[in-house]
Amino acid sequence: DIQVTQSPSSLLASLGERVTITCQTSQSISNNLNWYQQKPGQAPMLLIYYATSLQTGMPSRFSGQYSGRSFTLTITSLEPEDIANYFCLQHYSAPNTFGAGTKLELK
Amino acid sequence: EVQLVESGGGLVQPGSSLKLSCVASGFTFSSYNMHWIRQAPKKGLEWIALIYYDSSNKYYADSVKGRFTISRDNSKNTLYLEMNSLRSEDTAMYYCALIPTGYWGQGVMVTVSS
Repeated sequence: DIQVTQSPSSLLASLGERVTITCQTSQSISNNLNWYQQKPGQAPMLLIYYATSLQTGMPSRFSGQYSGRSFTLTITSLEPEDIANYFCLQHYSAPNTFGAGTKLELK
Repeated sequence: EVQLVESGGGLVQPGSSLKLSCVASGFTFSSYNMHWIRQAPKKGLEWIALIYYDSSNKYYADSVKGRFTISRDNSKNTLYLEMNSLRSEDTAMYYCALIPTGYWGQGVMVTVSS
């Protein structure tokens, strides 16, 4: 099974700050990784699919990159509405696996 | 418009069974693999099951293997999750999802408690 290690588990950031969250997979998965944002009491929302593609309707301050087995989600300038939990998901092979999540809070 | 609507959740006792349903609309259900994902209270997301578009393959997380069964009825555009031998640790919000797209249901709560 493919393991996904997400870091950090929590993150304090200021408005306007650049934020980076990382997922590392235990095996190569090409670009088969999604990023999700989840706010309290809501279902997760897709942010980035296939590692780098921005979901329609999501702000352009969100971006995804990858190199080998390392995947990053970047928020170029943190906005108040970005305060949420973030998860990555590898969908290269079953069992699919989520990262443990990153709780993004305001400093 | 793509819609996924789960139902069938509730409060059950440990050791009992429950069957969740997810009715899909707005896309050709029979052409897509479907997933179940769950989230325990205050916890992260856990992928639990996948079924291929034609039911030819099914995959499960170790945590539910042998207890849960994923199935589908393409004539009814419906995905199912049959859950047996339920445990307190199965308490969670259960979502059906179309991955890698962003379409998820709103979720249905399952609480296993005596």
